[in-house]
Amino acid sequence: KNEVEQSPQNLTAQEGEFITINCSYSVGISALHWLQQHPGGGIVSLFMLSSGKKKHGRLIATINIQEKHSSLHITASHPRDSAVYICAVTPGLYGGSQGNLIFGKGTKLSVKP
Amino acid sequence: EAQVTQNPRYLITVTGKKLTVTCSQNMNHEYMSWYRQDPGLGLRQIYYSMNVEVTDKGDVPEGYKVSRKEKRNFPLILESPSPNQTSLYFCASSLYRDTEAFFGQGTRLTVV
Repeated sequence: KNEVEQSPQNLTAQEGEFITINCSYSVGISALHWLQQHPGGGIVSLFMLSSGKKKHGRLIATINIQEKHSSLHITASHPRDSAVYICAVTPGLYGGSQGNLIFGKGTKLSVKP
Repeated sequence: EAQVTQNPRYLITVTGKKLTVTCSQNMNHEYMSWYRQDPGLGLRQIYYSMNVEVTDKGDVPEGYKVSRKEKRNFPLILESPSPNQTSLYFCASSLYRDTEAFFGQGTRLTVV
């Protein structure tokens, strides 16, 4: 079983729609990250959060530590939002490993005009 | 401009020919890491470094070496590349282990 699960795997939306991408994880964490990967391949960090909610423009990220769940919302979606969105967690320190990111497999979003 | 720079962006090589992918950051970050991205498997950590001269294996270290002689540089070395190392590679840095990660542009490696 993957330690970080995302849903859906693929998502097609019409321009203007409200979009939600979900992320569940099974390990203790010190932080959760939402990343964006455009077709060109580059990865940028959208959010890093350990509690509550963060907002940046039309993007909102929430996390529920008790339920081990996070959501990424995009309001008023636009074709330029088309990308792969990746959830990643920084696990709590256990077992001696200090690796810093465990990734979900990503959600491919396509926003049609 | 704060950035992580990887070179080369694209590389085609032959089995067994040693290669190095360079990674440099200008943000004075302590933590640096290498990942590979494969279809269906997503991103996986190869090696990481907590600081100068401190490196450790990630989830998929076989066939790779790293070094961290200076804070800004973290090269990835494939001493004898094999076709199963064909992948998209990313270097990333962060101030500490649990702070925001900044990624390089990626290196697409093909081993034939």
